[in-house]
Amino acid sequence: GQQVMQIPQYQHVQEGEDFTTYCNSSTTLSNIQWYKQRPGGHPVFLIQLVKSGEVKKQKRLTFQFGEAKKNSSLHITATQTTDVGTYFCAGFDRGSTLGRLYFGRGTQLTVWP
Amino acid sequence: DGGITQSPKYLFRKEGQNVTLSCEQNLNHDAMYWYRQDPGQGLRLIYYSQIVNDFQKGDIAEGYSVSREKKESFPLTVTSAQKNPTAFYLCASSIGLNWLAGPVVPETQYFGPGTRLLVL
Repeated sequence: GQQVMQIPQYQHVQEGEDFTTYCNSSTTLSNIQWYKQRPGGHPVFLIQLVKSGEVKKQKRLTFQFGEAKKNSSLHITATQTTDVGTYFCAGFDRGSTLGRLYFGRGTQLTVWP
Repeated sequence: DGGITQSPKYLFRKEGQNVTLSCEQNLNHDAMYWYRQDPGQGLRLIYYSQIVNDFQKGDIAEGYSVSREKKESFPLTVTSAQKNPTAFYLCASSIGLNWLAGPVVPETQYFGPGTRLLVL
């Protein structure tokens, strides 16, 4: 069945260091979404990637969708304490059961000041 | 003020008891979802509904039941058959599948604040 794997599960960085989380799918995805969940909060949508090889930027965050549409990454440049939280990727495969996203397990980011 | 609400924030369940978690949205979204979150497990889909009066099982539906009698409401019942119900439950909604945009692309999911269920 459809699976979206996300690594690493945990990442601890010093403020100012870079951070990257990776998602890999067992099948080709139609699109991928990224969400952020702050400690004690709920997931909030960050961005959606649809096209093969697509790269999008939001300030210090860079999102990539692989050429084969089976992997994606989120890179944060020069982390800040406000980046703390868990980052989830979520893939959609229109060839599978309609209407649902497949979430990765998330990467929990801790930033030391 | 538009959004998605969940109640209660905390819920305690006794052994053998059924409990119902509320999820309401006033975003006029067609699709609604229930997820369970355990530490280190990410988001696991329990049930989802693309339209009123219809719903599908997710990955961990055993021990849970839902109804979708109204567009704005998607309550989740945790039955006594769910032996390990302690978790953080998140409800989400989305416009639904965007059939008109060419390739079918799901819309953003908006999450409620969640309900923490604890077993006494």
